[in-house]
Amino acid sequence: KNQVEQSPQSLIILEGKNCTLQCNYTVSPFSNLRWYKQDTGRGPVSLTIMTFSENTKSNGRYTATLDADTKQSSLHITASQLSDSASYICVVNSGGGADGLTFGKGTHLIIQP
Amino acid sequence: DTGVSQNPRHKITKRGQNVTFRCDPISEHNRLYWYRQTLGQGPEFLTYFQNEAQLEKSRLLSDRFSAERPKGSFSTLEIQRTEQGDSAMYLCASSLWDSQETQYFGPGTRLLVL
Repeated sequence: KNQVEQSPQSLIILEGKNCTLQCNYTVSPFSNLRWYKQDTGRGPVSLTIMTFSENTKSNGRYTATLDADTKQSSLHITASQLSDSASYICVVNSGGGADGLTFGKGTHLIIQP
Repeated sequence: DTGVSQNPRHKITKRGQNVTFRCDPISEHNRLYWYRQTLGQGPEFLTYFQNEAQLEKSRLLSDRFSAERPKGSFSTLEIQRTEQGDSAMYLCASSLWDSQETQYFGPGTRLLVL
């Protein structure tokens, strides 16, 4: 069964600090992996998308990495800001329709001033 | 605003009542998805349309749930005889079918069944 596991489940850090969120998957075949940011009470917003051949992709202070061999991805947030407080969801696409998307449960990140 | 919109944003209903939600996708997107999300969980796929055709339905979609996209533009999701377990955020997303197929999500409709 395709699965996406995210860790930690929740994380609290001080404003200005860096943090790294993890995503391990057992999805096969693999088409691409996305990280979404979901603010409380809002829909998810795409941060990055990575295909099999990409190892690193940045979007401002967000940097995603992908190791397709170990089936692991990480999302690194640099110099955190209060507005980074949100849930971060990892989604792996195996291709072939909507059922090809496997969502993680997300990491709930809280930035404290 | 050219993003995905959903209405209503919040809905409180009594058990046994019917509710209907609407989703307006990004205009040129031909795919439209419905998801359900409960607190602390990722979105769960319910169903999706390509144009007006409903191509896939999750086993989560019981016979009390029905979705339509009559003209290939907006979509409605109806829940009949609501149950307390239906309380959740209902998310709609749209995409333009291509090799990456990035989904753009709406703000969601939060349903509370009393």
